[in-house]
Amino acid sequence: DAGVIQSPRHEVTEMGQEVTLRCKPISGHDYLFWYRQTMMRGLELLIYFNNNVPIDDSGMPEDRFSAKMPNASFSTLKIQPSEPRDSAVYFCASRPTGGALGYTFGSGTRLTVV
Amino acid sequence: GENVEQHPSTLSVQEGDSAVIKCTYSDSASNYFPWYKQELGKRPQLIIDIRSNVGEKKDQRIAVTLNKTAKHFSLHITETQPEDSAVYFCAASRDDKIIFGKGTRLHILP
Repeated sequence: DAGVIQSPRHEVTEMGQEVTLRCKPISGHDYLFWYRQTMMRGLELLIYFNNNVPIDDSGMPEDRFSAKMPNASFSTLKIQPSEPRDSAVYFCASRPTGGALGYTFGSGTRLTVV
Repeated sequence: GENVEQHPSTLSVQEGDSAVIKCTYSDSASNYFPWYKQELGKRPQLIIDIRSNVGEKKDQRIAVTLNKTAKHFSLHITETQPEDSAVYFCAASRDDKIIFGKGTRLHILP
């Protein structure tokens, strides 16, 4: 199993540009979570999906952020337009229904907005 | 919603000594409490977890305790080793989502 796969690993973009982060969950995992990690705020839950349906997006900071899961093996997190305060590490995580409740995290995308 | 407080934010212990990290949670309905370890530049990884119907769980040198009445839970690491140096996160969950504490940076001193 390749684990949760995120791309890109690093992204540097200019303020105002659109940024798209990608995630492939572990096959068979029907829950997918997007987290943002910063020194000040720690690990914040942005949104999560179950069976490709968004269940809770209350953590999405503002309308500039959007997330989709068009199928069971792919999700995107988009920021448009990006701002310097969006600089953070964005993690995707997944888990199956039932069984172990702990997540498996991807390697993260380090986003820098200049 | 759930709020998880974690202390201390930084902890330094001599190699071979024990380390204890403490957390509190606010939602009495939370029923799952995982602990994650994150090494520098790496992803958080689950190291141990406990459910609300259990008061204590041990796995080799690490153990977790849970006091549901007080809404406290703790991580204990015995016989610390250099490879234990990392950031440790406690977390609480009642449904599908996991809410994390702010983390404890653990330094193991030679």
